[in-house]
Amino acid sequence: GAVVSQHPSWVICKSGTSVKIECRSLDFQATTMFWYRQFPKQSLMLMATSNEGSKATYEQGVEKDKFLINHASLTLSTLTVTSAHPEDSSFYICSARVWTGPSNYGYTFGSGTRLTVV
Amino acid sequence: KNQVEQSPQSLIILEGKNCTLQCNYTVSPFSNLRWYKQDTGRGPVSLTIMTFSENTKSNGRYTATLDADTKQSSLHITASQLSDSASYICVVSASQAGTALIFGKGTTLSVSS
Repeated sequence: GAVVSQHPSWVICKSGTSVKIECRSLDFQATTMFWYRQFPKQSLMLMATSNEGSKATYEQGVEKDKFLINHASLTLSTLTVTSAHPEDSSFYICSARVWTGPSNYGYTFGSGTRLTVV
Repeated sequence: KNQVEQSPQSLIILEGKNCTLQCNYTVSPFSNLRWYKQDTGRGPVSLTIMTFSENTKSNGRYTATLDADTKQSSLHITASQLSDSASYICVVSASQAGTALIFGKGTTLSVSS
């Protein structure tokens, strides 16, 4: 089945530094990828939607200059947290839309990245 | 406002027992409803997906039901196993194109021996 590989699974960084998270679709082409953020015991919150070859669409309240999303190929989307601060510490998850038929699709999620900013 | 509410928030059951998780939604127009299992520190994994016309869908020991009239869904787990301990998330698509997903907060299930 469709697999999305997300790396790294966890990362610790110092305040002020930048961190890049990668999501790769291993056996399919992902024209659309979604980036979520999840706090403990909370539901996933959509941060942005990225389409291959175009600019990402950010949800209200998400700083596009802080959370840089690049979807330059059909198999790779990246999220870069720039100038990270402790409040950016969270669980970040990517997801790709997977078409299973002309009008049917599902969503496959990456395994998530635990970001801790110290 | 589009919302998905799940109950209970958490649940503890003994191994081998059955349990049922609830999901109520106020999402319009409705496209489909999905149940996901999320292990701690991992991404969600799809269990079932149901469209408006489907009342029930099974995946092994997991059986989901949908009542589109009352806007309620349930996920029944049969003969629970320790590995069923996880968060179960109900997700509803909010548009005809199904592009907007509304996530519930999840039910945390703990299966003990």
